[in-house]
Parts: sequence; C-alpha cells; structure tokens
Amino acid sequence: AQSVAQPEDQVNVAEGNPLTVKCTYSVSGNPYLFWYVQYPNRGLQFLLKYITGDNLVKGSYGFEAEFNKSQTSFHLKKPSALVSDSALYFCAVRVYTGGFKTIFGAGTRLFVKA
Amino acid sequence: DTEVTQTPKHLVMGMTNKKSLKCEQHMGHRAMYWYKQKAKKPPELMFVYSYEKLSINESVPSRFSPECPNSSLLNLHLHALQPEDSALYLCASSQEGSASSYNEQFFGPGTRLTVL
Repeated sequence: AQSVAQPEDQVNVAEGNPLTVKCTYSVSGNPYLFWYVQYPNRGLQFLLKYITGDNLVKGSYGFEAEFNKSQTSFHLKKPSALVSDSALYFCAVRVYTGGFKTIFGAGTRLFVKA
Repeated sequence: DTEVTQTPKHLVMGMTNKKSLKCEQHMGHRAMYWYKQKAKKPPELMFVYSYEKLSINESVPSRFSPECPNSSLLNLHLHALQPEDSALYLCASSQEGSASSYNEQFFGPGTRLTVL
C-alpha cells in the first residue's frame, strides 16, 4: 500500500534556528513527493515537490527538502526559522489508482518561538 | 489567475436542509477535487473529476453529491447531512494528463460546514 508517515506530531524550534520536519514514504514505483503548508482556517499551499533529478529540492519561502531513496525519506528543512513559519505541514505522495490522487501524511505542527 | 475560490466561507445547516458548496478556478486545470478535513487532521479525499468526468469516488455516502458543470466549476450538493459531517470542505485543482501525475494541487480556502 502507498503511504506517507510523519513521525512527529509537533516540532518546536526557536526563531533563527534551523528546522527539520520529517517524512518517510512507502510507494511502489517512482515516488512523486510533495510538501504542503496549512495556516489556520486556510487551505493548503504547495511548498515544493520531488519528481526526479537533484535530491535537494528548493521551494517557496526558503524551504528545501532532501530526497533520500535509500532511507525512503523526504525531510523538509529551513536554515533559519521564522515565527511566521508556525503552521501545519503535510508531506504527500501522488499516486495513480484509476485517477490521480494525493495521499497525505498525518501532518506535523511546527511552532517557532520568538 | 492562480486562485481557487470557494463559496460560501461558512455554512450552517440542519439535518433536513439541502445546500450546495461551490468551487471555481480559471487556471485551465482539468482535474478538480473535493476533500473533507477535520480539525488538525489531513485532508481526506472524497471525489476526483478529470476532464469533467468523475474518476474517483472514495466511497462517500450518497448524501454528498458532486457535480462538474464545466472545466472551471465544481459543486458539492449536500442533503440530509449528519452532525459528524461538520468539517472544513476543501476544493483543489491541478493540471492533469496521462503522463503528468506529478503536478501540484492548488487549494481553495475551504468552506467551514456545521451541521446541527
């Protein structure tokens, strides 16, 4: 079965420090991996994706993610966290089952403290 | 225009009411989606439309009825809902094609539905 796991319910980090939000995946075939962010009472916003090529993917708002095939991971990172980065982050994988669908991880809540 | 709009933003309805949620995009996307999201949980896929045809129905109860009148519009008709159907309903769209499974989705802000 295709799945995505986010092992941390919550990540706390001080402003200015680097942050990492973890994600591991289990898919058959090539993984198409995504990160989305959701602010309170809002829809999800696309941050970045890995399709193929360079394992380090750069995205919006200074975020980047590293694809690691051997560890089946796709961790989200940012060198210096901002208070405004506090939000709910979802890792996701795109699969085809008669139509294209996105399978989301459970989500990780990021708190950045000033 | 890279926006997905949803109306209404908030909806309160009784269990005997009939209401509709609306979603619109003008990005030329040919895939549109309905998701249900409970608080602090990931979105749960309900329906997928590809080229205005229903391609995925995730065994959603018949009290939810989707409709895709054209490539820009997506409706979700609601009838005889239950209190447990209260949630944030998200619409999304993406470019689609047989060889383009890697396209990101654009989400609307959602409709906050409360069923009394």
